[in-house]
Amino acid sequence: QKEVEQNSGPLSVPEGAIASLNCTYSDRGSQSFFWYRQYSGKSPELIMFIYSNGDKEDGRFTAQLNKASQYVSLLIRDSQPSDSATYLCAVRENTGNQFYFGTGTSLTVIP
Amino acid sequence: EAGVVQSPRYKIIEKKQPVAFWCNPISGHNTLYWYRQNLGQGPELLIRYENEEAVDDSQLPKDRFSAERLKGVDSTLKIQPAELGDSAVYLCASSIWTGTLHQETQYFGPGTRLLVL
Repeated sequence: QKEVEQNSGPLSVPEGAIASLNCTYSDRGSQSFFWYRQYSGKSPELIMFIYSNGDKEDGRFTAQLNKASQYVSLLIRDSQPSDSATYLCAVRENTGNQFYFGTGTSLTVIP
Repeated sequence: EAGVVQSPRYKIIEKKQPVAFWCNPISGHNTLYWYRQNLGQGPELLIRYENEEAVDDSQLPKDRFSAERLKGVDSTLKIQPAELGDSAVYLCASSIWTGTLHQETQYFGPGTRLLVL
């Protein structure tokens, strides 16, 4: 059973702070990793993906991947109240097009 | 570019009734996914299509759930009969093979929120 683990939270940070969201996965052969944002009552929205070890930056978002540790994280700099949502980590298996999702981390940014 | 379209957005039915959900993927996307998402959980795959072929339906409760994707475009997911535990959000997603494995991403539709009474 391929697993994706996330701390369910809730995680609360003050506005302007850095929010750090973490995800671990069990399938060592996984190649692609995705972060989705899901507002309450809405569908998941892709934020970014990463497939190489290291950091990938996109605006205020930075994804970090460490395949040796089977760990992927998302940093949100200068957090805004509009960032308050559930963040889903998804891992794409090595052999096909199947994606495995974590349960999500609920983030609240306090004004 | 239009996104993934799903209908209906909401559905309330009584248990033992049938229900059907429809999905139109992003144009040109050959892979289509149906997920079920319970409150506080991540999406769980029910079935995945590559064009018109169901390549992974291992998590689909086949005694009551069925799906089809005629002509490899639109898809329908059906539940008959519905049970109380089927209340959830049913999400459709699609993706396209770009030739670069790492960069294939999937995009979600707005979902259908099902309530079984």
